[in-house]
Amino acid sequence: GDSVTQMEGPVTLSEEAFLTINCTYTATGYPSLFWYVQYPGEGLQLLLKATKADDKGSNKGFEATYRKETTSFHLEKGSVQVSDSAVYFCALIQGAQKLVFGQGTRLTINP
Amino acid sequence: DAGVIQSPRHEVTEMGQEVTLRCKPISGHNSLFWYRQTMMRGLELLIYFNNNVPIDDSGMPEDRFSAKMPNASFSTLKIQPSEPRDSAVYFCASRDLNTGELFFGEGSRLTVL
Repeated sequence: GDSVTQMEGPVTLSEEAFLTINCTYTATGYPSLFWYVQYPGEGLQLLLKATKADDKGSNKGFEATYRKETTSFHLEKGSVQVSDSAVYFCALIQGAQKLVFGQGTRLTINP
Repeated sequence: DAGVIQSPRHEVTEMGQEVTLRCKPISGHNSLFWYRQTMMRGLELLIYFNNNVPIDDSGMPEDRFSAKMPNASFSTLKIQPSEPRDSAVYFCASRDLNTGELFFGEGSRLTVL
């Protein structure tokens, strides 16, 4: 079945560092891809998405490009802030099926 | 829209008691999902509904768990009897079929003593 594999955490960086969180997927067909973020004590919220190959999703300085050839959707940010500390989930969906999540990557940014 | 609304936000109960968690999805969304989140197992899909019909309940841990969606604006997740290992945060989410985006509630934190 469809699956998502994320970079294992936790990840700890200093403020203004460059961030990459790797995400690869296995799916038949052409899924839509998502990054969700969960701040402490809250539910998950959509950070960005891409619905077809070569699409780039972006939001709040974060970016991810849908790479069909490498089945990847890596999350990047050029300069992280303390407020970016959260758990990040990569996910995919096909049609009307269920959203499949990766295991989550905990990110901590130190001032 | 107020978003996905869950209640209660926090529940503390004793082993053996019945627990009922409630969810009101976003109006117009016709898919609803129940997830459980723990430190050990991460985010697990328990069950999801399309148009109020359960589609996949393979994630429901055992017969003690049951979920219903009597109409498009309400769903319940029931645990009877509850056990300490059921302690977790339970999230409800509804989906906009046009975009595929899932909108989560703030979760119900359950502690079973």
